[in-house]
Amino acid sequence: DGGITQSPKYLFRKEGQNVTLSCEQNLNHDAMYWYRQDPGQGLRLIYYSQIVNDFQKGDIAEGYSVSREKKESFPLTVTSAQKNPTAFYLCASRPTGGSGELFFGEGSRLTVL
Amino acid sequence: AQKITQTQPGMFVQEKEAVTLDCTYDTSDPSYGLFWYKQPSSGEMIFLIYQGSYDQQNATEGRYSLNFQKARKSANLVISASQLGDSAMYFCAMREGVGAQKLVFGQGTRLTINP
Repeated sequence: DGGITQSPKYLFRKEGQNVTLSCEQNLNHDAMYWYRQDPGQGLRLIYYSQIVNDFQKGDIAEGYSVSREKKESFPLTVTSAQKNPTAFYLCASRPTGGSGELFFGEGSRLTVL
Repeated sequence: AQKITQTQPGMFVQEKEAVTLDCTYDTSDPSYGLFWYKQPSSGEMIFLIYQGSYDQQNATEGRYSLNFQKARKSANLVISASQLGDSAMYFCAMREGVGAQKLVFGQGTRLTINP
């Protein structure tokens, strides 16, 4: 089935550790996104990539890094510089053209202990 | 300034009643798109409905319709004949400009359907 796979679903980390969240899509979409969601809040854009080997900062990029070496993959690293990393992270992709609808993965919940 | 405003943090509705979730937006771009997503407790985001700024008619998808009032900059979601499975968070989002690359989301409304 076509879709977006995020892993792990739940992740715990100690303060000061970097952690990488995986996002893989087999929809052949060019654009991919990472959003952060805090409890009871909307989604805020961290990074997005419109094409392989290129990505742009979103509204809250500080403390995060990404790479886009393959069309299918857009991993997000939460670094120790991120002051409040505990959150729900959603990956999405978008096909070229169309309305701009985003297709989402099931999310990864990161808890910093 | 907030691009997307959802003023109802929570709503409670009896099963089978219709419900309207409010969304207002702010943009100076004549070309934009408005989206509604549903987020159940499991966390995934489910696309419900889309309205383009140049669309002449209000969008409809099954029990979902979008009450688009361009002059008022509002794009309210109407769910007819609500069901228990409609209980979830609902987010309004906007794409600004032709070929715009990102969506901006509102804060969401938590809808609870009572039996």
